[in-house]
Amino acid sequence: VQMVESGGGVVQPGGSLRLSCAASGFTFSNFDLHWVRQAPGQGLEWVAFIWYDGSNQYYADSVKGRFTISRDNSKNTLYLQMDSLRAEDTAVYFCAKTGPRSYYMDVWGKGTTVTVSS
Amino acid sequence: QSVLTQPPSVSAAPGQKVTISCSGSSSNLGRNYVAWYQQLPGTAPKLLIYDNTKRPSGIPDRFSGSKSGTSAALGITGLQTGDEADYYCGTWDSSLNVYVFGTGTNVTVL
Repeated sequence: VQMVESGGGVVQPGGSLRLSCAASGFTFSNFDLHWVRQAPGQGLEWVAFIWYDGSNQYYADSVKGRFTISRDNSKNTLYLQMDSLRAEDTAVYFCAKTGPRSYYMDVWGKGTTVTVSS
Repeated sequence: QSVLTQPPSVSAAPGQKVTISCSGSSSNLGRNYVAWYQQLPGTAPKLLIYDNTKRPSGIPDRFSGSKSGTSAALGITGLQTGDEADYYCGTWDSSLNVYVFGTGTNVTVL
């Protein structure tokens, strides 16, 4: 079971970036998924959550209206579209799979780094 | 911002026991299971405890979890230098419809 993030990089304030998370080793379409981030030297911050079928999404207040979580079950891939980026969005972004019919995160990717700077 | 409160740090000598507390509210810990995550320096978090007390395969029984009302705790017995890490509690908040993490606790083995 593996989750691998990609798409991080350096972007200017106000810019956009799309993160991807490729999953393998399990039936992707059966599980809900999270994005979690960690700013330098800080704790974990939950970002977004999507149901197994993509029908419902939930967001932290800090990203609501700017970030969009989505998934393509035919490609076993999770996405995070990040628009109107701010300096405070600078962080390592992790994707994580949930346990069966649960919210807890049982498999995590290694993370991808997003830096918002001019 | 975190809505689950943890002590910033705990420490003990090798072989000893530490307990990390996690305090929440009726809308999060009071209604939902707690999970605990371990983050070793420079690595991704790893699930330690789920559904309050259960350990995933491969997690030693030195790690244990408990929950009562709006508080939870993680216990680590037989402390080892390899246990030096940051530990986070986490759960769903049913009123806010968000997942919440604790503020995090750094464990130091003296």
